[in-house]
Amino acid sequence: DIVMTQSPLSLPVTPGEPASISCRSSQSLVHRNGYNYLDWYLQKPGQSPQLLIYLGSNRASGVPDRFSGSISGTDFTLKISRVEAEDVGVYFCMEALQTPFTFGPGTKVDIK
Amino acid sequence: QIQLQQSGPGLVKASQTLSVTCAISGDSVSSSSAAWNWIRQSPSGGLEWLGRAFYRSRWYNEYAESVKSRVNIKPDTSKNQVSLQLNSVTAEDTAVYYCARGYDDSRDSLYHGMDVWGQGTTVTVSS
Repeated sequence: DIVMTQSPLSLPVTPGEPASISCRSSQSLVHRNGYNYLDWYLQKPGQSPQLLIYLGSNRASGVPDRFSGSISGTDFTLKISRVEAEDVGVYFCMEALQTPFTFGPGTKVDIK
Repeated sequence: QIQLQQSGPGLVKASQTLSVTCAISGDSVSSSSAAWNWIRQSPSGGLEWLGRAFYRSRWYNEYAESVKSRVNIKPDTSKNQVSLQLNSVTAEDTAVYYCARGYDDSRDSLYHGMDVWGQGTTVTVSS
C-alpha cells in the first residue's frame, strides 16, 4: 500500500496570512496518462470531507482560487494564499492512483 | 445537483452485520463515469478506504485487504443506491461511514476526485 505522510499535523493560522501544508507519498503517484493522482480534502468541523484539489493541482468546482496545489516528485503542497476563518478544519491528502486508496493523517488548521 | 443520502442503524451488536445504504440522486449508480466508494473515519479521526463498486460494461468491486473477507459493496439499480455490508463486526469497526462518488469526466477521460460525499453514518458496535 502507498503510505501518505503530512506535515505539520497542526497549523495555527492568522486570517489574511498564507498557509501551506505538505504531503508526501511513499511512491510515485504518476498515472500512465502522466497525471499525479493526488487529492486534497477539507473536513470542516461536523461535516463530511469535501474535495478541494484533484490530480495534484486542479481546483474542484466552486473552490476559491486562494487554494492551490503544487507537485514536486512525490512531494505535494497545498497552499492557501490568504486564510479566511471558514478555512478551519482538517486537511487530508489522498492517493488515488491504486487501491487501496490511502489518506494522510490529516493537518488540523485553526485560528491563532 | 448530485446528492448522496445515507441511512442505516447507528448501533450494531458485536459479531453481527453492519449495513449502510447510500441513495443516489442526480446521477446513476450505473454511470460509466462514477465509482461508488465507502470510506470510514475512526474515532481518532483517521480515514480508511474500504472499497468501491463501479460499472464499466459490467460491475466491478475492489476492497481493502483489511476488510476483504467481511465486506460486500452492492449496487441496487432498481433503487439507484449502493450499500455497504460488513460482517462479524467488532468494536474496531466503530466509526463514521461515508459513501463518496469518484468521478471520471468523460470530456477529458480524467479522474476528477471524490467530488460528492454522503452526510456520514455513525455506527457504534456494542458488546
